[in-house]
Amino acid sequence: EIVLTQSPATLSLSPGERATLSCRTSQSVSSYLAWYQQKPGQAPRLLIYDASNRATGIPARFSGSGSGTDFTLTISSLEPEDFAVYYCQQRSNWPPCTFGQGTKLEIK
Amino acid sequence: QVQLVESGGGVVQPGGSLRLSCAASGFIFSSYGMHWVRQAPGKGLEWVALIRSDGSKEYYADSVKGRFIISRDDSKNTHYLQMNSLRAEDTAVYYCAKDYRSGFCDYWGQGTLVTVSS
Repeated sequence: EIVLTQSPATLSLSPGERATLSCRTSQSVSSYLAWYQQKPGQAPRLLIYDASNRATGIPARFSGSGSGTDFTLTISSLEPEDFAVYYCQQRSNWPPCTFGQGTKLEIK
Repeated sequence: QVQLVESGGGVVQPGGSLRLSCAASGFIFSSYGMHWVRQAPGKGLEWVALIRSDGSKEYYADSVKGRFIISRDDSKNTHYLQMNSLRAEDTAVYYCAKDYRSGFCDYWGQGTLVTVSS
């Protein structure tokens, strides 16, 4: 089973700042990685698929990069609604379609 | 627009059974695989199961293999999760989700809470 490790566990930033979230996989997943956003009491929302492709309706301030075992989600300028928990997920070697443990992005 | 609505959650005793349903609309249901993903209270996401679009194959997380069964009824645009031999550690919000690109989830339901407790 591929293990996904996200860092940091918590990221404290202010609106307008740039956020950089990391996801590292225990073995190569090529580009088969997605990022999700989850707000309290809500279902997750797909942001990025196949490492760098924005899902439908996702603002351009969200971008993804990476391949192999190291991936990054970047939010160029934080909006108040961006403070949430972010998860990465792989689909390279499944089942299972494993998720990372999450990064909480909180307001500083 | 795509809608997924789960039902069937509730409180069940350890060792008991429960069947979750997920009613879909707004897309051609028979063309897509469907997932179940769960989230224990205060914890992260855990993928549970996937059924292929044609129902020919099912996949399960090791933690539920042999106890849970995923199925679908395309005539009702609904898929199901039959949960047997439930344990306290199965307590979670269960989300159904539409498959995207064979493994990702692009649309999610609102979730249904399953509590396993005596």
